[in-house]
Amino acid sequence: GAVVSQHPSRVICKSGTSVKIECRSLDFQATTMFWYRQFPKQSLMLMATSNEGSKATYEQGVEKDKFLINHASLTLSTLTVTSAHPEDSSFYICSARVGGDNQPQHFGDGTRLSIL
Amino acid sequence: QKEVEQNSGPLSVPEGAIASLNCTYSDRVSQSFFWYRQYSGKSPELIMSIYSNGDKEDGRFTAQLNKASQYVSLLIRDSQPSDSATYLCAVNTGTSYDKVIFGPGTSLSVIP
Repeated sequence: GAVVSQHPSRVICKSGTSVKIECRSLDFQATTMFWYRQFPKQSLMLMATSNEGSKATYEQGVEKDKFLINHASLTLSTLTVTSAHPEDSSFYICSARVGGDNQPQHFGDGTRLSIL
Repeated sequence: QKEVEQNSGPLSVPEGAIASLNCTYSDRVSQSFFWYRQYSGKSPELIMSIYSNGDKEDGRFTAQLNKASQYVSLLIRDSQPSDSATYLCAVNTGTSYDKVIFGPGTSLSVIP
């Protein structure tokens, strides 16, 4: 149980392109999903908390107009990196939780984004 | 600023030895603690959760929690080369139980 699927696994595109990443909970419903970014040799940095049916909660310093999050159903959240630039190149990972706030998060396989 | 701290390593242990990974946290009211393993280029995978003081064992892994000292550790017995990875400690924030804070991770290398 608790399988989180993330797609695509790898994206290489030109500067200025917008990129959409999907995160799905396959065998459970997730009212809350989380989006992280990880640069090489660094730990996970929470970007935003995605809430089904409402606006995402962004962490300080994360531009909400740059990183658009939509959580339209209990099994799908999407992250769109708008007008991506080379500095947006990173490893993006989503997670979801089964059950209450004290339960662990389960991660998707991540998306490696490379902007040329 | 609530923090989770870990020694970055690398921690090197010979195959078959016990690897000991440590984590301290600053938020005294945190109640949920997690250990994740992350292989290079991959996403984190959950090893263990612990919520109460004391030890919790799962196979070769033992998590230890001491809330008074704000300290949580992970022991890996009979370490294998396949255990070589970065181990992330994660702690819920306390004031906002919806989120966890991840430590910087400890890199473990098990030498055959």
